[in-house]
Amino acid sequence: AQSVTQPDIHITVSEGASLELRCNYSYGATPYLFWYVQSPGQGLQLLLKYFSGDTLVQGIKGFEAEFKRSQSSFNLRKPSVHWSDAAEYFCAVGGGSYQKVTFGIGTKLQVIP
Amino acid sequence: DTGVSQDPRHKITKRGQNVTFRCDPISEHNRLYWYRQTLGQGPEFLTYFQNEAQLEKSRLLSDRFSAERPKGSFSTLEIQRTEQGDSAMYLCASSFPRGEYNEQFFGPGTRLTVL
Repeated sequence: AQSVTQPDIHITVSEGASLELRCNYSYGATPYLFWYVQSPGQGLQLLLKYFSGDTLVQGIKGFEAEFKRSQSSFNLRKPSVHWSDAAEYFCAVGGGSYQKVTFGIGTKLQVIP
Repeated sequence: DTGVSQDPRHKITKRGQNVTFRCDPISEHNRLYWYRQTLGQGPEFLTYFQNEAQLEKSRLLSDRFSAERPKGSFSTLEIQRTEQGDSAMYLCASSFPRGEYNEQFFGPGTRLTVL
């Protein structure tokens, strides 16, 4: 069965600082990996996805993520955080017979001035 | 293409009442998914349709829940005899198979509060 672990429930960073959100996945075959962002009361917005190819993927809003098969990780990074990045971030893995998506518990990002 | 839409966006109901939510997928998408997100958790898969056929249901979908997609376009999710534990955000997603993996596009969700 596929699963996702996001070890950090809550992260606080200063505006302008760099950010890394951790994600580990479990999946028996080639994983399809995603990062979504959710602002309070809003739906899910796709930040980036990895299907195959280059293991460093670029997304929207200046985010990037690196797929490391040996570590079963897909960490999200941003070099300089803006106050508007405060939100909840979900790592997810897709696959299986009906390609349903399994989400992690989420990491809530707080940005302080 | 206006994206996936869901109606209503918010629903407040009393325990024991029935509620129905609607999802309109992106027009050419033949795959439709329902997820539930409770407070402090990530979304969890509930059920999947390919065209009008419901092909998979999660164990989370108790017998009080029923989902339909009668013409392979919009879908409805009904909860009968609501309980306070049903309070959650209900998300719908749709996709169309292209290549190796079909990316799902999510709607804004329906937030249900059961008093």
